[in-house]
This record gives sequence, C-alpha cells and structure tokens, in this order.
Amino acid sequence: GEDVEQSLFLSVREGDSSVINCTYTDSSSTYLYWYKQEPGAGLQLLTYIFSNMDMKQDQRLTVLLNKKDKHLSLRIADTQTGDSAIYFCAERTGGFKTIFGAGTRLFVKA
Amino acid sequence: NAGVTQTPKFQVLKTGQSMTLQCAQDMNHEYMSWYRQDPGMGLRLIHYSVGAGITDQGEVPNGYNVSRSTTEDFPLRLLSAAPSQTSVYFCASSQIGGGATEAFFGQGTRLTVV
Repeated sequence: GEDVEQSLFLSVREGDSSVINCTYTDSSSTYLYWYKQEPGAGLQLLTYIFSNMDMKQDQRLTVLLNKKDKHLSLRIADTQTGDSAIYFCAERTGGFKTIFGAGTRLFVKA
Repeated sequence: NAGVTQTPKFQVLKTGQSMTLQCAQDMNHEYMSWYRQDPGMGLRLIHYSVGAGITDQGEVPNGYNVSRSTTEDFPLRLLSAAPSQTSVYFCASSQIGGGATEAFFGQGTRLTVV
C-alpha cells in the first residue's frame, strides 16, 4: 500500500544546515512534496520535485530524490529560528490523491 | 482570493452530538479532501471528492459522512461524536491532472469531544 515515513524530531543550531529525510513506498508516485506547518496554521507547500528528477534547488532549500531507494530529503541551508515548524513529506499518487508522512518537527536553537 | 475556508475554527461537542464542519474553496478545484491530524500520525485521509456528486472513502472514514453538491463546498458531518474524534481537521483542495498541482489547505478546525 501507500506509505510515507519520516523521523518525528530534528534539532539544529541556528546557522547550521537541516536535513529532513523521508521514505515512500509507491513507485508510481509522480510528484513528491514538502509542506511546512507553523503552529495553529494549515499546511503550506514549500517545494516539490517531479519523480524523474534527482535534485531541485530553490534558494535555501535543496530537495534530493533517490528513486531507486524511494528516499527523499529536504536540506535547509543556514537554518533560522523562523524555520522552526513541522515539515511534511507527501507523495501524489493516482493523479490526485496525496499521502502525507507523520511530519518532522524541526527545533532551531538560537 | 480566499482560498480554502473552514468553519468553525474551534468546537467542543458532547459525546453523541452531531455537527457539520464546513469547507469552501473559490479556486474551482475539482479535488477536495478532509484530513484529520493527530500527534505523531500526520494527516490521515477521511474522505475525498473528485467532483460534484462524487465522493469516496479515505483511510479513516468511519463515523464521518460527506457530500459534494457543488464544486465549491465539501462539508464533513460527524454523525454521533466520540472522544476518539477529538482532533484537528483540515480540508484541502487541488486541481486534478498533470502538473505539480499542490494542495491548498484551510486553517483547520480544532474539535474536542467530551
């Protein structure tokens, strides 16, 4: 079946890089997403990658995709306290259905 | 653009009561869905719809009903509330088809069942 797994917590110091990892099971996924959720708010799309790409860079964000291992990562360079949030990995299957991981809570220490 | 609007933002129910969580979007999206978010479990899909008059069950549909009479609205009904339905509920909408069609989320409804 479809499943997306992430570690639940990550703690980094301000200015360091954060790497959030995710694994998924559906090899027919077309797009993979990273969403950010701040306290008391809904999810907002951070970035996405098409399944035939290996890497995508968007300012401080770098997404790496290893399709063979079904592994996705999100690197945030120069992490700031404002980056503290929950980050969700998600895969799109069947053209419209989106399956989410449990979310990784990122703590940024000043 | 209002995007996806959910009401109410907070609700407390007694066990056995029924209620409807409202969701409306103004982006003409075909696909709408309801998720519940519980600590450590991420977002679990309750029901979804690919267009007016079409709904289907997600991962955790028991205790919930939906209908989709218009493209804009996708209400979620709790038939007889139970404490296990205490959660944060999110409605989302997106286009169907090619391209990285992101899901747009509402702000959530925090429901407590006592």
